[in-house]
Amino acid sequence: QSVLTQPPSVSGAPGQRVTISCTGSSSNIGAGYDVHWYQQLPGTAPKLLIYGNINRPSGVPDRFSGSKSGTSASLAITGLQAEDEADYYCQSYDSSLSGSVVFGGGTKLTVL
Amino acid sequence: QLQLQESGSGLVKPSQTLSLTCAVSGGSISSGGYSWSWIRQPPGKGLEWIGYIYHSGSTYYNPSFRSRVTILVDRAKNQFSLKLRSVTAADTAVYYCARYCTSSSCPRYSFEDWGPGTLVTVSS
Repeated sequence: QSVLTQPPSVSGAPGQRVTISCTGSSSNIGAGYDVHWYQQLPGTAPKLLIYGNINRPSGVPDRFSGSKSGTSASLAITGLQAEDEADYYCQSYDSSLSGSVVFGGGTKLTVL
Repeated sequence: QLQLQESGSGLVKPSQTLSLTCAVSGGSISSGGYSWSWIRQPPGKGLEWIGYIYHSGSTYYNPSFRSRVTILVDRAKNQFSLKLRSVTAADTAVYYCARYCTSSSCPRYSFEDWGPGTLVTVSS
């Protein structure tokens, strides 16, 4: 059971908008710690997609955006493309255990 | 461009010790503002943080592994390592090394760079 909760799967047609939620608690997201998002294409290592809740690293299309409110965060993808089909993970810090990095369980995005 | 590359035994017998090394190139492991981490992913499952080490040698481990994990840094060779003792089949996973930003001059508390990963299978 992951500390951060994500839906196991989401889907959308090309061109559509999808969102992926990441729900935490008062010891992680709700405590003000940043949320980061990673994209993992099949057979590859995760890649940083969004950091500090809303920021995109250089090279990440602006179709990807992040938000955070209370004990939850969301990743939104607009103008869905076939190459967006991947697993997406949220990650934060949890103050209940020293040094603890926590991940969500991951969400499989299927482009229909 | 920083690169990380995992290496080590791909097959480990139950009850033995899993040993992996992550070679860092294109940057110094002694750079301030970063720590060096191990993360694993069992087949078909999600990511699990194992622990990280600062260039000073200070370590932080996931409590789930604390009793059987050791992460060390070798500044002379610009690499760091993972040892996981008393492995079982549940430790079969792809193991990733990654650079973890710990300062405000980079994406703080995120994993900015990852190695390609190496599959370790625990089986007799």
